[in-house]
Amino acid sequence: TQLLEQSPQFLSIQEGENLTVYCNSSSVFSSLQWYRQEPGEGPVLLVTVVTGGEVKKLKRLTFQFGDARKDSSLHITAAQPGDTGLYLCAGAEAAGNKLTFGGGTRVLVKP
Amino acid sequence: NAGVMQNPRHLVRRRGQEARLRCSPMKGHSHVYWYRQLPEEGLKFMVYLQKENIIDESGMPKERFSAEFPKEGPSILRIQQVVRGDSAAYFCASSPLGDLRYEQYFGPGTRLTVT
Repeated sequence: TQLLEQSPQFLSIQEGENLTVYCNSSSVFSSLQWYRQEPGEGPVLLVTVVTGGEVKKLKRLTFQFGDARKDSSLHITAAQPGDTGLYLCAGAEAAGNKLTFGGGTRVLVKP
Repeated sequence: NAGVMQNPRHLVRRRGQEARLRCSPMKGHSHVYWYRQLPEEGLKFMVYLQKENIIDESGMPKERFSAEFPKEGPSILRIQQVVRGDSAAYFCASSPLGDLRYEQYFGPGTRLTVT
C-alpha cells in the first residue's frame, strides 16, 4: 500500500507571510495532484505535476514535484485570507487508476 | 457543462437501515471513482467503475458495501445495515478516461450520519 504523508497538519499564519506544505512518500507516483477543499464541499483540483523536477506556478502558488517523483511541495507567497482551506496532495500509481491522498494540511491565514 | 452531481448532499440513517448514494459524472465522462473521508482525515479510495463494470474495488469493505454504474443512470454506492462507523463524507469523482494522467473531478459529496 502506498502512503503519502503531508506536513504540517495545521498551519496558522498572518496575511502576507509565506508558507510551504510538504507531501512525502517512499513510493514513486506517475503523477501528483494538489487539491483544495472548503468545508462542506468536494476537493477542487489546483494542479497536476507529472515529470520529476517539474515546477508549476499558479499566481501566488508554486508546486514542485521531486526529481524521484516521491515527494512534492506547495509554496504560497504573500498568503491572503482567501487561501484559508484544507490542502490535499494525491498521488496516482504508475499502473493504477486510483488516487492515494495525504492526510491534508489545514491552512489558516489571519487578516 | 455541469460538474459532478451527487445526491443527496446530506443523509441521516438509523443503525441497520440502508443508505443509497448517487453520483452523476460530468458529461462525457465514463469513469467513476468513490472515496470516503472521515472527519479531519484525507480521502480514502473505495472503488473504481466504468459503465456496467467494476474495475477496482480494493478499497471497499468486504461486507455491506456495493457499487454499480449501470448503462443508463447514475452510479450508486449502497451501504446495507449501516453502523455508526459508516458516518463520513462520501465523494464521487469522474474522469473521461481511466488513465490517471487525466484529472479526476470531484462532486460536492454526500454526508452520511448514522444515528
